[in-house]
Amino acid sequence: GAGVSQSPSNKVTEKGKDVELRCDPISGHTALYWYRQSLGQGLEFLIYFQGNSAPDKSGLPSDRFSAERTGGSVSTLTIQRTQQEDSAVYLCASSLPRDRPPGGKPGGYTFGSGTRLTVV
Amino acid sequence: DAKTTQPTSMDCAEGRAANLPCNHSTISGNEYVYWYRQIHSQGPQYIIHGLKNNETNEMASLIITEDRKSSTLILPHATLRDTAVYYCIVSSAGGTSYGKLTFGQGTILTVHP
Repeated sequence: GAGVSQSPSNKVTEKGKDVELRCDPISGHTALYWYRQSLGQGLEFLIYFQGNSAPDKSGLPSDRFSAERTGGSVSTLTIQRTQQEDSAVYLCASSLPRDRPPGGKPGGYTFGSGTRLTVV
Repeated sequence: DAKTTQPTSMDCAEGRAANLPCNHSTISGNEYVYWYRQIHSQGPQYIIHGLKNNETNEMASLIITEDRKSSTLILPHATLRDTAVYYCIVSSAGGTSYGKLTFGQGTILTVHP
């Protein structure tokens, strides 16, 4: 598609349940990022994927959070045993590799519209 | 990545130029200045970025001072739809930071009729 697609757009889940959030990046974008934004707050980095390199998971808030990226394209963010503090908008972004074209000017991220997660 | 400082909020009259400042006094030589905006209930939108030369695109202009310690995003003819939070971010193109963007609190720009 033309943009970054995220699904579902809204998710309400009960505390303690597991949820999966999906991100379809722009075709050809090898870099993929997950951020979250709590109500009235700034964006919080969660995880980054780049090609076949090991992902940077330094932003994941706890071991209940995990993410996969299959085939270098679609990514799934999984939250196990959800808690009320997990309620937030989860945003996915993709971009070209930071060093492409070599020596050239790197591009920006394209964000999806996010998944609004509400844990009740 | 270098830290940025932006005013918390700004107002602008519709049709006038909106000039949003950003200080990044600790920017290093390989760090770019990026601007994004976030309109209520939407994901952030890329606006423009640059290294040291001024940049212009269909959305905005970016003026970077010669010492690169500050920059200004210019929306030449602001409209009501430009009301948003504007984020100024510095980030390197590659290396260990791989261009990860760290979002601060940004500037809330309100365009009024």
